[in-house]
Amino acid sequence: GAVVSQHPSRVICKSGTSVKIECRSLDFQATTMFWYRQFPKQSLMLMATSNEGSKATYEQGVEKDKFLINHASLTLSTLTVTSAHPEDSSFYICSAWTSGGRTDTQYFGPGTRLTVL
Amino acid sequence: LAKTTQPISMDSYEGQEVNITCSHNNIATNDYITWYQQFPSQGPRFIIQGYKTKVTNEVASLFIPADRKSSTLSLPRVSLSDTAVYYCLVGFNTDKLIFGTGTRLQVFP
Repeated sequence: GAVVSQHPSRVICKSGTSVKIECRSLDFQATTMFWYRQFPKQSLMLMATSNEGSKATYEQGVEKDKFLINHASLTLSTLTVTSAHPEDSSFYICSAWTSGGRTDTQYFGPGTRLTVL
Repeated sequence: LAKTTQPISMDSYEGQEVNITCSHNNIATNDYITWYQQFPSQGPRFIIQGYKTKVTNEVASLFIPADRKSSTLSLPRVSLSDTAVYYCLVGFNTDKLIFGTGTRLQVFP
């Protein structure tokens, strides 16, 4: 299947700092990527849709000024958590659709564990 | 967006066949059904995808009835390493996928 990578895989930061997470589609181009957040023992929660060359679309309740998304190219989307606080500590996962065979499939990155002290 | 409903958890023993059923009553005509597996602290991993009838690959089978309002993921002869959370999702093309609770499968020796 298609490969989606994330960097870093794990980050620890102090409260008030900003953290950038990269999501790359390694062997395909993705005009649309998605960002999810997952708390322990819970399901993935969609945060936003990242659109190449245009503004991201945020889900209800997600602060767009806090979670900045930039989709600068067809293979890279970044999520920046600005002024991070301990409650932002979570597992962040990105995904992208790719066409393969008869239909399209969404593939997920390995995730980034953010811990805010 | 089609919503899915799955059992919260299931238990099985090694070597048994496990069937996980997902309900998606308002699936759209263009929607495909995709199942993912997730281990702790990892991103979901694609297992299988189908539109109707039966699909089989090297790790699982997917059964979809004619009305497509449900689907069943079948894992043959599970092992301890199949202990994970399994998610059923429906969508098409660039749709955003909304995750349900998933099914937490526990395989015992």
